[in-house]
Amino acid sequence: DTGVSQDPRHKITKRGQNVTFRCDPISEHNRLYWYRQTLGQGPEFLTYFQNEAQLEKSRLLSDRFSAERPKGSFSTLEIQRTEQGDSAMYLCASATLRTEAFFGQGTRLTVV
Amino acid sequence: RKEVEQDPGPFNVPEGATVAFNCTYSNSASQSFFWYRQDCRKEPKLLMSVYSSGNEDGRFTAQLNRASQYISLLIRDSKLSDSATYLCVVTTGGGNKLTFGTGTQLKVEL
Repeated sequence: DTGVSQDPRHKITKRGQNVTFRCDPISEHNRLYWYRQTLGQGPEFLTYFQNEAQLEKSRLLSDRFSAERPKGSFSTLEIQRTEQGDSAMYLCASATLRTEAFFGQGTRLTVV
Repeated sequence: RKEVEQDPGPFNVPEGATVAFNCTYSNSASQSFFWYRQDCRKEPKLLMSVYSSGNEDGRFTAQLNRASQYISLLIRDSKLSDSATYLCVVTTGGGNKLTFGTGTQLKVEL
C-alpha cells in the first residue's frame, strides 16, 4: 500500500451531468476526509467518515453532493447536476487516531 | 471571520534568508495544530506538528501560543526547494475535523 489513491485524476464533464469519484484510503485508516480546493485557497472541508459512519458534513455541501463509505474502506463522492462552480480539485485524506492525515493526489474536476 | 487565517503572501526571499509565517485560529477549543506543505498542483503533505512547547526539525521551527491563538513557522537558511505554499491546519471536534488556512506562498530566489 503506497498511500491514498484517488480515481480518476482528471474529469471533464458537461454542466448538468452527474460525476462520481473514488478514494481508496491507506489500509486500516479508519478516518476518511473529503476536501475541495480551488486556486489560491486552502482545502475546504466537505465531509468526514469514521469507519462507515459519516460523522460530519459541511454546510457548504448542497444536497447535490453525497458521499458514502459502505464497508468502511473505500469511499465515493457523487455530485449530481454539476454546475460550473463545482470545478475544483477534490482531495481525499485518511488517518488514524494516532497519525496525521495523508492526502491522495486529488481528482481535478472541470465542468464545461 | 475565517476559522484559520494566514497571510497569503507571496513572500519572495533570497536563498539563505530566514522567513516566518504566522497563522491565527478562532476556535479556542482547537486541539491539534500542524503545518502542511503543498507544492504547485500537488497534494498537501505534513511538514510538522506543532506542540505547546514548540518544536524544531532541522531548519524549521514551529511555535504555538494558545493564549493568543496563533501558530508560527520559522524557516532558517531557506533553500530554493522550500518554495511552496505552507498551510496552517487546526483540528477540532475530537480531532475529527481538519480546518485549513488559505496558505502562505513562499518563493525562494537566487
